[in-house]
Parts: sequence; structure tokens; C-alpha cells
Amino acid sequence: AQSVTQLGSHVSVSEGALVLLRCNYSSSVPPYLFWYVQYPNQGLQLLLKYTSAATLVKGINGFEAEFKKSETSFHLTKPSAHMSDAAEYFCAVSGHRGGSQGNLIFGKGTKLSVKP
Amino acid sequence: GAGVSQSPSNKVTEKGKDVELRCDPISGHTALYWYRQSLGQGLEFLIYFQGNSAPDKSGLPSDRFSAERTGGSVSTLTIQRTQQEDSAVYLCASSHGPQGRRYNEQFFGPGTRLTVL
Repeated sequence: AQSVTQLGSHVSVSEGALVLLRCNYSSSVPPYLFWYVQYPNQGLQLLLKYTSAATLVKGINGFEAEFKKSETSFHLTKPSAHMSDAAEYFCAVSGHRGGSQGNLIFGKGTKLSVKP
Repeated sequence: GAGVSQSPSNKVTEKGKDVELRCDPISGHTALYWYRQSLGQGLEFLIYFQGNSAPDKSGLPSDRFSAERTGGSVSTLTIQRTQQEDSAVYLCASSHGPQGRRYNEQFFGPGTRLTVL
């Protein structure tokens, strides 16, 4: 069965500092992995996805994530935080159908705060 | 183009009443998903429709929850005899149908915030 663990429900960084949001997954099949962002009172927006191509994935707004099979990790990073990055971030893995279809299984989310 | 829309944006109801939540997917998307986002449980999958196939109902928490999708487009999530623990944001998402191993991004609506008093 697929599952996702996000370490840290709240992360606070200073503007300009490195952002690192941690995600570990468990999957019985080669996983599809995702990071979504949710701004207050809005729906989820896809930041980036890993679908078994390049292990270093670049997304929108300067974010990237690296798939590490040996560590079962898919951590999200951004070299320099902006105030506009303050939001909640969700890591997700494709569900029991696996592959390209079916529901997503989400982590509990990490709320990112950016201090001026 | 238009994204996924959901109505109402907010719904307050009394315990024991039935509620209906509506989702309008992106035109041409054959896959439709319902998720629930609550403080205690995070984001949970509820139900998945793909074309004319039987829906995947494996995430529905009880028989008080049901959903239908008419004409392969609009979907309605119904909660009967609402309980306080049903209070949550209900999110709908849609995507294109199966295309081999190509991943089809799920596009999310803004959600319906349900409060059960």
C-alpha cells in the first residue's frame, strides 16, 4: 500500500534562506510522486511531479525535488525563499491503482512561513 | 479557460440534515475525484469516477456518503444525516482519462467548506 510522511507540520524560514520540506514515501509499485501547494482559501496547485524520468525534477516558482529511491524520499527545495512562498505544501503519491491514474494519497502537509 | 468549479463555496447545516455538494469539472476531462480535507485527518480520497466505468468508492467513510456523476460531467456528493465530524473542506478534482503511462494532472477546484452545527 502507498503512504506518505511529511516531517514537520510547520517550517519557518527567513526571506532569502533555503527552503527544505521533507517527504518520505512507501509504495509497493514504482511510484508517481507529487508536490502540491495550497494558498489560503484556495484549491491545490501542482508544483512538480516525478513520473520515473529524471530524478531531479524542476517545478514552478523555482522549486525542485529529487527522487531518491534508496532513501524513499522526495524532498522539496528552493534556494531562496520569497514572502509569496508562504503556503501549505503537500506531498502525494499515486494511489493503489498506481501509475498514471487513480486517486492521490497525501501527506499531512507542511505549513511554510517566511519571515521578512 | 474555465477550471474546476464547486458550489456552494460555504455550507452551514444542522446535524442530521442532508447536504449536496456540486462539482463542475473541466470540459473534456473524463476522470473526476472527490477528496476531503479536515484538520484531524488531512487530505483523504473519497471517490473516483472514470468515464462510464463503475466508480471507485473505496474512500467513502460510511454509507451516509454517496456520489453520482451525470452524463459524464457534473458530479454531486451527497452526505445524509450529517454529523459534526463531517465538517471539512470537500475538494473536487478532474483530469484527462487514461493515456498509457502518461500522468494526467489532477486539477483541483477551490472546495466547499462544510460546517455541521
